[in-house]
Amino acid sequence: SQTIHQWPATLVQPVGSPLSLECTVEGTSNPNLYWYRQAAGRGLQLLFYSVGIGQISSEVPQNLSASRPQDRQFILSSKKLLLSDSGFYLCAWSPGNYGYTFGSGTRLTVV
Amino acid sequence: SQQGEEDPQALSIQEGENATMNCSYKTSINNLQWYRQNSGRGLVHLILIRSNEREKHSGRLRVTLDTSKKSSSLLITASRAADTASYFCATDPIYNTDKLIFGTGTRLQVFP
Repeated sequence: SQTIHQWPATLVQPVGSPLSLECTVEGTSNPNLYWYRQAAGRGLQLLFYSVGIGQISSEVPQNLSASRPQDRQFILSSKKLLLSDSGFYLCAWSPGNYGYTFGSGTRLTVV
Repeated sequence: SQQGEEDPQALSIQEGENATMNCSYKTSINNLQWYRQNSGRGLVHLILIRSNEREKHSGRLRVTLDTSKKSSSLLITASRAADTASYFCATDPIYNTDKLIFGTGTRLQVFP
């Protein structure tokens, strides 16, 4: 069966520090991969998605970047975090648009 | 914004009552999906309804879709305290089949 792993669960980082969040999927090949951010009590904002290795689509201009170095690995990064980068980050995968499977999320607090 | 809108934003009911949530969207779609999110957790896929379907059931869930009005509803019958969560609709737009567009969500509170 397919599983998705996202870590860490919580993260407190100082302003100006780098960020690296990792997401990996098991039990499938060539998945579509997604990074979302959710502000407290709000909906989901799509940040990046990828339909294949090295293929990254950016949805909003921001202080973040994404990479897909391997088929089932999706990384969200920042060189210098801002206070506004705080939020709940969710990784998801899908075989197409027929139902996403989400990771458990990372609560990022930038202080 | 392309984001869908859901109403109500929040809903409080007693156990045993039915809960109805509505979703409106803006573009033509291939399908519409509903997800559930428990506080502080990832979203869980509940049900998918295709654009050529009008109604679908799964256990205590009933979803309707009206493509002429660009709207959908999720009905949870005989609610339980464990149904307390946020519920999101998501649309698969015809113009881009690589990503879903999520709604703003409805926070459901079911009191025992």
